[in-house]
Parts: sequence; structure tokens; C-alpha cells
Amino acid sequence: GESVGLHLPTLSVQEGDNSIINCAYSNSASDYFIWYKQESGKGPQFIIDIRSNMDKRQGQRVTVLLNKTVKHLSLQIAATQPGDSAVYFCAENKGGSNYKLTFGKGTLLTVNP
Amino acid sequence: GAGVSQSPSNKVTEKGKDVELRCDPISGHTALYWYRQSLGQGLEFLIYFQGNSAPDKSGLPSDRFSAERTGGSVSTLTIQRTQQEDSAVYLCASSLYSSGDGTQYFGPGTRLTVL
Repeated sequence: GESVGLHLPTLSVQEGDNSIINCAYSNSASDYFIWYKQESGKGPQFIIDIRSNMDKRQGQRVTVLLNKTVKHLSLQIAATQPGDSAVYFCAENKGGSNYKLTFGKGTLLTVNP
Repeated sequence: GAGVSQSPSNKVTEKGKDVELRCDPISGHTALYWYRQSLGQGLEFLIYFQGNSAPDKSGLPSDRFSAERTGGSVSTLTIQRTQQEDSAVYLCASSLYSSGDGTQYFGPGTRLTVL
């Protein structure tokens, strides 16, 4: 069946370090992937997305890598800051008329000062 | 500009009562989504509205759940005869496009507690 999962439920890093959050997906038909950040008491906030015709996309301090061979998605955060502490979700859908996002359970990132 | 807003932010109700949750999407966004997030879990799709098209209700967990979208803007999610398992955060999102790669912008959610 379709599913999006995460390898690690929690990740603790030191301020200034780089963070890597991983996500595995099982639906090989998925062609669009999104990372969301959710701070406590708030709704998810869009971070970065990537389409399946790409294997890397960079934003400000964030990079998303897509490995379609092993159906793996990762979010890299450079120079992690305390404000990056949040739960990070990956989500996927098939694109086109398929508008439903399938979310993973999330990874809690804690940044220690 | 204004983002997605939801009201109330918190709702405590007694088992068996009906509740209504409101969502105001971003102006101009044609697509509107409702999700449910249980404690420590990812988001569960509930229902999707796009313009005047029939909504996709495939994610609604039971017939106690219903939703409306009036005038292509504001949406109301209604839960009848609430049960304790309905306790969760209900999130609304809107997007400019109906296609799958339309970025969904989320509201802050309504935390529902059923006693």
C-alpha cells in the first residue's frame, strides 16, 4: 500500500551542526514531495518541495535530496539554529489530479544551544 | 497577506455533543483541505473542496463527519455526536491550484477535546 515513513522519530543536534532528516516512501508512482515544519501549537509550514524529475533542490539553508532508486527522501538543514527545533514531516502525492498528500509521522528535531 | 485562519483555536466538548469548526482560506485559493492530526501522528486527510466541484469526502472517518464550503470560500467541518476518539487537532489548508503540486498553506488548527 501507499505509505510514507521516517527512519528516526527524534533527532538531537548541537547548534551550528548540520541536520539530516530522512524519509522513506513506498509508492513508486509518487512524483511530488514536500517537507513541512511544524512548531508547537502551529500548523505545518511549507519548507521545500521537489519533483521526481529532480534529485536535488536547494533553498535557504535547506537541501532536499531524492533517491528514486531506493525511494528515499532527505532534508538537510545547514548550520542548525534553535529556531529550527520542530517536527518535520515529509509528504508525497502523485501529482496531476491527485491532490491528497500522504504524510509521514514526523521527526522531532531538537537543537541544543 | 493574511494566511489561513481557523476558529475556535481550542474546543472542549462533552461526548455526544455536536461541534462546528471553521476555516477561512487564503483569499483567491480555490482548493481547500481538512486534515486531522492525532497526538504524535502525521496528518490524516479528511476532505477536499475545489471550486464548484463535488468535494472528495473519501477521508471522512464516519457519517458523523461532514463539511461544507459556502461561496467557494469559508468552510465548516461538523462533527455530530462527538466521541472521545474524535479528540485531535483539526487542520485546514488551502492552495491556489487544484493540482497535486499546489503548495498547501495550513492554518493553526483547532484543538478538539472530547470529554
